[in-house]
Amino acid sequence: KNQVEQSPQSLIILEGKNCTLQCNYTVSPFSNLRWYKQDTGRGPVSLTIMTFSENTKSNGRYTATLDADTKQSSLHITASQLSDSASYICVVSTTDSWGKLQFGAGTQVVVTP
Amino acid sequence: DSGVTQTPKHLITATGQRVTLRCSPRSGDLSVYWYQQSLDQGLQFLIQYYNGEERAKGNILERFSAQQFPDLHSELNLSSLELGDSALYFCASSVGRGGGGYTFGSGTRLTVV
Repeated sequence: KNQVEQSPQSLIILEGKNCTLQCNYTVSPFSNLRWYKQDTGRGPVSLTIMTFSENTKSNGRYTATLDADTKQSSLHITASQLSDSASYICVVSTTDSWGKLQFGAGTQVVVTP
Repeated sequence: DSGVTQTPKHLITATGQRVTLRCSPRSGDLSVYWYQQSLDQGLQFLIQYYNGEERAKGNILERFSAQQFPDLHSELNLSSLELGDSALYFCASSVGRGGGGYTFGSGTRLTVV
């Protein structure tokens, strides 16, 4: 069973609307959680990284939240644009790993005009 | 440009052949990671090198091997290629364990025919 579960699997939203993506994890001991954006056929690009003590972090129209007690994170996209169409990947790392991160399967977001 | 350089960008080869993918990490980064992403699948961790030494291994097939050279560039060798090896292969780099963040290259698209 994947230790990082993302929902929904895919999402279609109208341009200008907001949306929220979810990430639940069971990875332990927790070090940090990252959200990446991956355009089709391109490498993932980091949006945010949060450690245990951080509850929220923003990067432009992207806002990530983290509840380390419930092991849940969300990524909120505000006023979506066509360029937001991509896969959004939640990645969790442990304090005892040598970089072998746990990847979620991603949420495919499609923004339509 | 992320600073992580992968070559070639595209590769088409026949079954049974051998190919080498190359990755130059971002300046100052000591760790190199290799990932495989099959069509519509998540990123699968293959292997990590830190300063020339193998540090972590994921779901890497015995037909695949990698190494990191003294100048820190890395090569991923894929042999006895099968149709199922067709995928995007990403390289990422980080300064150390990856706690400060990963930077991904733009990938090599391998097509086995």
